[in-house]
Amino acid sequence: AQSVTQLGSHVSVSEGALVLLRCNYSSSVPPYLFWYVQYPNQGLQLLLKYTSAATLVKGINGFEAEFKKSETSFHLTKPSAHMSDAAEYFCAVSGPNTGNQFYFGTGTSLTVIP
Amino acid sequence: KAGVTQTPRYLIKTRGQQVTLSCSPISGHRSVSWYQQTPGQGLQFLFEYFSETQRNKGNFPGRFSGRQFSNSRSEMNVSTLELGDSALYLCASSLSGTGILSTEAFFGQGTRLTVV
Repeated sequence: AQSVTQLGSHVSVSEGALVLLRCNYSSSVPPYLFWYVQYPNQGLQLLLKYTSAATLVKGINGFEAEFKKSETSFHLTKPSAHMSDAAEYFCAVSGPNTGNQFYFGTGTSLTVIP
Repeated sequence: KAGVTQTPRYLIKTRGQQVTLSCSPISGHRSVSWYQQTPGQGLQFLFEYFSETQRNKGNFPGRFSGRQFSNSRSEMNVSTLELGDSALYLCASSLSGTGILSTEAFFGQGTRLTVV
């Protein structure tokens, strides 16, 4: 079985500050891990994905995430928050045998304070 | 390259009615998945179609059904609507059936269904 836990349903940071959104996964097989962003009344946009290659993954808009197998974590970071980063962020897991079925976390709403 | 297109964007239906939602995947993509998004339950997997066959199914009642056509377009149908079916329904398309490339899903903007 696969699942994802996102710690913190709401995170607030000041503009220019570090963004850290936490994601822990559970998977009985080597996972594929993803971060998606959702703006109001929009679908999901892929930020980055872990595909069992490099453990540090760089994505769009300056975001990156590090896969840590020992901690079963895949936290999302950005060195300097921008106002346009305010959105809902979802961590998701799938696996080589699950087709295209994603298991999503409950999401983290990011607020950026000017 | 056109993205995933979902129609309609907004729907208002009455309890007991049925509804059909449509999803046109990215050209060349053969896999289409459907998700229900609600504030209380988050994103929940409904089902996935690949080459006109349902490959995976989530834990939803039989009132929720879908199909995929030979051009990969997919429809989702909900019969006997309940108030709890009010949600954003998202469609995702992926390139193929296996391997990591298949799991990069591209989402549409969704259909907002309101049941009154």
